[in-house]
Amino acid sequence: AQTVTQSQPEMSVQEAETVTLSCTYDTSENNYYLFWYKQPPSRQMILVIRQEAYKQQNATENRFSVNFQKAAKSFSLKISDSQLGDTAMYFCAFNNAGNMLTFGGGTRLMVKP
Amino acid sequence: DTGVSQNPRHKITKRGQNVTFRCDPISEHNRLYWYRQTLGQGPEFLTYFQNEAQLEKSRLLSDRFSAERPKGSFSTLEIQRTEQGDSAMYLCASSRGTSGGPTYEQYFGPGTRLTVT
Repeated sequence: AQTVTQSQPEMSVQEAETVTLSCTYDTSENNYYLFWYKQPPSRQMILVIRQEAYKQQNATENRFSVNFQKAAKSFSLKISDSQLGDTAMYFCAFNNAGNMLTFGGGTRLMVKP
Repeated sequence: DTGVSQNPRHKITKRGQNVTFRCDPISEHNRLYWYRQTLGQGPEFLTYFQNEAQLEKSRLLSDRFSAERPKGSFSTLEIQRTEQGDSAMYLCASSRGTSGGPTYEQYFGPGTRLTVT
């Protein structure tokens, strides 16, 4: 069974600065997908970024980028130029067969003005 | 808006009552997933459908829980004889996909918050 661990329950960052959220996972699979989802307060979960394990290049989406270290089973999310609207719970998730997502426990990010 | 919709958004029920939730996926998505999220935790997988077929169920899905997707479109999740431990947010998600094919993103609905008193 796969497990996903987010070791930072809460983080804060000043507006316009950069923050990195950590995620590690455990799997014996070789082909899989990793995702970061954002869940704003009282709002629905939205996809931030995805990474295919077979791709060596780290995914980027505007201010969001990942540092994918397959050997270390690490998948961190970097948010540049943080904005107040980035305040949310962030979940790292793993998917290896197009079926269920396995989520980490989440990191609550607060962006301070 | 053609996103995933869920009804009701909130449900308060007394212990021992039955409740049913509905999920309408994005219309072109053939896969539909149910997850449960308790406060401050990540979502946990319950079950998923490909078209009308229920392909996988978590051990979290006790025999009091049943899910259906009779025509491969909307889905219902029923909880019988509710217990206080069933209080949670029930999330529905949908995606494209076929067995053995590529993995596509799952799009989530707003959830149904269940409170069992």
